[in-house]
Amino acid sequence: QVQLVESGGGVVQPGKSLRLSCAASGFSFTSYGMHWVRQAPGKGLEWVAVIWYDGSNKYYADSVKGRFTIFRDNSKNTLYLQMNSLRVDDTAVYYCARDREEQLVRQPLGYWGLGTLVTVSS
Amino acid sequence: SYELTQPPSVSVSPGQTASITCSGERLGNKFASWYQRKPGQSPVLVIYEDTKRPSGIPERFSGSNSGNTVTLTISGTQGMDEADYYCQVWDTSTGIFGGGTKLTVL
Repeated sequence: QVQLVESGGGVVQPGKSLRLSCAASGFSFTSYGMHWVRQAPGKGLEWVAVIWYDGSNKYYADSVKGRFTIFRDNSKNTLYLQMNSLRVDDTAVYYCARDREEQLVRQPLGYWGLGTLVTVSS
Repeated sequence: SYELTQPPSVSVSPGQTASITCSGERLGNKFASWYQRKPGQSPVLVIYEDTKRPSGIPERFSGSNSGNTVTLTISGTQGMDEADYYCQVWDTSTGIFGGGTKLTVL
């Protein structure tokens, strides 16, 4: 059974950093592209970043490019999002999601975690 | 940057058919996915590659793609279908979500 469990959220001041983690289980982690998606309070879903199944490519939304870094540790079956220079408008629930199919790119997001809340406030 | 436009809200009576649209430039050249999000729950993929249903998604959910518009159709809508629905495509290698549509089953 596919499980994605996010952690690392919390309250942080503007300009500071935070690292989110997503522990994956129930599937071959190295075979799937992984994503971060967020939802700000009262807003819709916003795709944040993807890392391809083989780690060869990473892509970001314009709103986070240059500030956020997605990476994965295949030995720990864990996905990360390093968030630097945080802004108030980064406040959101951050979801980890998995590609629907293995070893393909530009896939639908087939499985989602429950999310972790990040609040950026002074 | 690429944009997808959805109506903010759609209302439907139980048992009737709900249609939710999503429009964008050259959308017919892209594969669209649809996600259902109920309050307090994570999003669930209900349609992918315009028309395909993942296993476990009821047959009353269907999708279509025509020109610059993709449509999610829910036939025989039930109260449990009340949720926010989001379309999503890939613009080169960047994910794009529509603004979401709140489906109300009256």
